[in-house]
Amino acid sequence: QVQLMESGGGVVQPGRSLRLSCAASGFTFSTYGIHWVRRAPGKGLEWVAVIWPDGNIKYYADSVKGRFIISRDNSKNTLYLQMNNLRVEDTALYYCARASGPYDYWGQGTLVTVSS
Amino acid sequence: ETVLTQFPDTLSLSPGERATLSCRASQTIPGNYLAWYQQKPGQAPWLLSYAASTRATGAPERFSGSGSGTDFTLTISRLEPEDFGVYYCQQYGPSTWTFGQGTKVEIK
Repeated sequence: QVQLMESGGGVVQPGRSLRLSCAASGFTFSTYGIHWVRRAPGKGLEWVAVIWPDGNIKYYADSVKGRFIISRDNSKNTLYLQMNNLRVEDTALYYCARASGPYDYWGQGTLVTVSS
Repeated sequence: ETVLTQFPDTLSLSPGERATLSCRASQTIPGNYLAWYQQKPGQAPWLLSYAASTRATGAPERFSGSGSGTDFTLTISRLEPEDFGVYYCQQYGPSTWTFGQGTKVEIK
């Protein structure tokens, strides 16, 4: 069955970096675009970034543009999110989601807390 | 950037009642690429409807999406106790992805 599993979250100080991973299984990873979506405490869902199946096209939300980098390794069925210069407002539960147009499968999320 | 505004913010209804959730876009959504998700506490969101009116695989028949252009609706025909949670609308693609702020459905 389709599974997405995020990892790499934790507590980090403002200005530092963190890399999230999303391990996929149960489907042909290299044929799907994959997104990162986050939910800050007490807030709603916020789209973060997307990467096309071949990795050549990427889009970012304005709130993370220039700080976050999305990438993927299709040989390892894994998606990444390199988060640099983290801010307190980046504190959130980060989900990866498979896109077949809408998001038909989601991971359970990994928590990132940015605090001094 | 298209802004999605959902209303009401909170809906409190009894089991068996009809729930109507609205989502208004600041500009026309191309292709009616509008989806609805349900999220319960401690769980990942779950796709209910896409392309404005297509029910997702596994979504119960009591959930139905409708609308086009800038105005969209998710209707729950008869609320079940397990339908509590936050419901989000989303525009997906072709190069823009945004969520509404969510509508919280409470079961009386």
